[in-house]
Amino acid sequence: EVQLVETGGGLVQPGRSLKLSCVASGFTFNNYWMSWTRQAPGKGLEWVASITNSGGSTYYPDSVKGRFTISRDNAQNTLYLQMNSLRSEDTATYYCTREKGYFDYWGQGVMVTVSS
Amino acid sequence: DIQMTQSPSSMSASLGDTVTITCLASQDIGNYLSWYQQKPGKSPKLMIYGATNLEDGVPSRFSGSRSGSDYSLTINSLGYDDEGIYHCHQYYEYPDTFGAGTKLELK
Repeated sequence: EVQLVETGGGLVQPGRSLKLSCVASGFTFNNYWMSWTRQAPGKGLEWVASITNSGGSTYYPDSVKGRFTISRDNAQNTLYLQMNSLRSEDTATYYCTREKGYFDYWGQGVMVTVSS
Repeated sequence: DIQMTQSPSSMSASLGDTVTITCLASQDIGNYLSWYQQKPGKSPKLMIYGATNLEDGVPSRFSGSRSGSDYSLTINSLGYDDEGIYHCHQYYEYPDTFGAGTKLELK
């Protein structure tokens, strides 16, 4: 059974940093691209970052480019999202997703609240 | 960025009805379109990928179709378990973009 378990969320002040982790199980992690997608409270979904299976390439929308960094440790079956210079508009539930272009598996999500 | 205009934003239907949700892409996305169902407090669940392909385990009451830049999700024989928010998603080019969502409620 595929499982994606995110950790690392919480309350953080504007301008500070936070790092999310996602531990994957139930599939061969290094065969798949992985992504992060977020959902602000009461809002729609927004793609945040993607990484190739080797970790050699990464992709971001303009809204987080230069502030967020996606990475992975294939030996530990773990995906990361380093979030710097956080803003109030980054407040959202962050989902770790397995990617095939589309997102076929989602984690349960972790809440990030950016507020002073 | 590719805009995905989803309609309606909300709808109410009766048990056994057939409903259709649509997404209009602002430019060509081929068949790089997926649909997700999200129940309150839960993560989204993949229903359809490649515009028309049913994900494993999804009931055959769900179907996806395409007409030009219009993409539709149709649910036949509506049941209470189908309540939730449905999201469309284009993955033709970065940045991936989603529709605003359709909230489906049963009367």
